[in-house]
Formats: sequence, C-alpha cells, structure tokens
Amino acid sequence: DTAVSQTPKYLVTQMGNDKSIKCEQNLGHDTMYWYKQDSKKFLKIMFSYNNKELIINETVPNRFSPKSPDKAHLNLHINSLELGDSAVYFCASSQGEGLSYGYTFGSGTRLTVV
Amino acid sequence: AQTVTQSQPEMSVQEAETVTLSCTYDTSENNYYLFWYKQPPSRQMILVIRQEAYKQQNATENRFSVNFQKAAKSFSLKISDSQLGDTAMYFCAFIKNTGNQFYFGTGTSLTVIP
Repeated sequence: DTAVSQTPKYLVTQMGNDKSIKCEQNLGHDTMYWYKQDSKKFLKIMFSYNNKELIINETVPNRFSPKSPDKAHLNLHINSLELGDSAVYFCASSQGEGLSYGYTFGSGTRLTVV
Repeated sequence: AQTVTQSQPEMSVQEAETVTLSCTYDTSENNYYLFWYKQPPSRQMILVIRQEAYKQQNATENRFSVNFQKAAKSFSLKISDSQLGDTAMYFCAFIKNTGNQFYFGTGTSLTVIP
C-alpha cells in the first residue's frame, strides 16, 4: 500500500506547455505539501494545505497553482512551463499542522522541460 | 530565521565501517525537532531518525544514532556497520515546535564502498 503516491513519476514536456502533477495520500493526514528539489538537491517548500485550506504559499511564480479537492489530494498545476522549472517535485503529508513526527514523502516527479 | 548547515557535500565509507555525518543549525528557539532523512538513488525520501530537543538522550534506530549537542547546535548522524544500501543523500532537517515547515540542509552524498 503506497502511503503518498504521485503521478507521473517522470514528465518530459516542451516549454510553454501546461502540465499537472497529482498527489494522493491514504494515511488520513490533515496536511499536504509540495516541495521542489533543484539540480543541487536543495529542497524548498512551495505550498502547504491543511484540510483543503492553503497555509503556506512561498514565493513561487503565479504559473504554479495548487489545488486540493479534498484533504487526501493535493495536485500541482503548472502553466507556461519554462526551462528553469525542471526539477524533482515532491508531495508530502503530515498528521495535523504540527510536524513533530516528520513528513511522509511521495516518490517524487522528475519534470524535464525541453 | 532557521538555517541548517551540512558542511560535507560528499563522503565515502568502507562497507562494515562507521561513518559520521555532520549537521549544525541556527535557531533562537528552545523547543524543536531534528530529523535525518535519506534519499537513495530511487529518489524516495525516507525518515531515518528523529530527535526531540527537550530530550537529552540521543536517539537511536538500529545502526543509526545521533549525537545531539543542544548548546553547540549540532546534530550529527552516526551510521555503524555501513551497508551498500546506505548509499544515498542524507538530509538534516529542523522544525520548531510550533512550526509548519521543515528547514532542510543541503545534503551529504554518502557512498558505501564494497
């Protein structure tokens, strides 16, 4: 049973396209996150949702829009893709807003913009 | 602002030997949590070990243990009896007690040599 699943695992697309990455968790967690890992492996938070409500929205371009239809899903939509968007995107979840027990991560989506 | 520093970008260790990965952090908080995450080539982020700042006793999980020095703001990870499967990126992470996001270090790439 996959706890946090992301699809697709790999995504190759051309500049200017619009794409979505889906994330689902079956842990019953209240909070979900999107992280971006750049080519130097640095992890930076992008968004956080608690029970469908946006609680963290770091400085990311407006082309990135998270959508949470319910607390088990947090999708990431990206408009007008640019070369610099190439990265690995991780979805994660945690129980409540507190993170004292850490995240459960998905396996990541490697996005390559050509 | 919280910062997490991992000063060793790359390390290697012989199989069955012991290796220590360094992590220091900067915070004015008194209550917080520290974590080590492992990211093997499969890309999955896996929680290795967790430490509560108010506990003086160092956390241990099988072959993994930490040396937590609160006054020095140091949180090193010791891996005993290194195995080939320990080859991975290791990330140190910090969250304050009331926080809603992690602060990750830049990672240490560990290679276990047969």
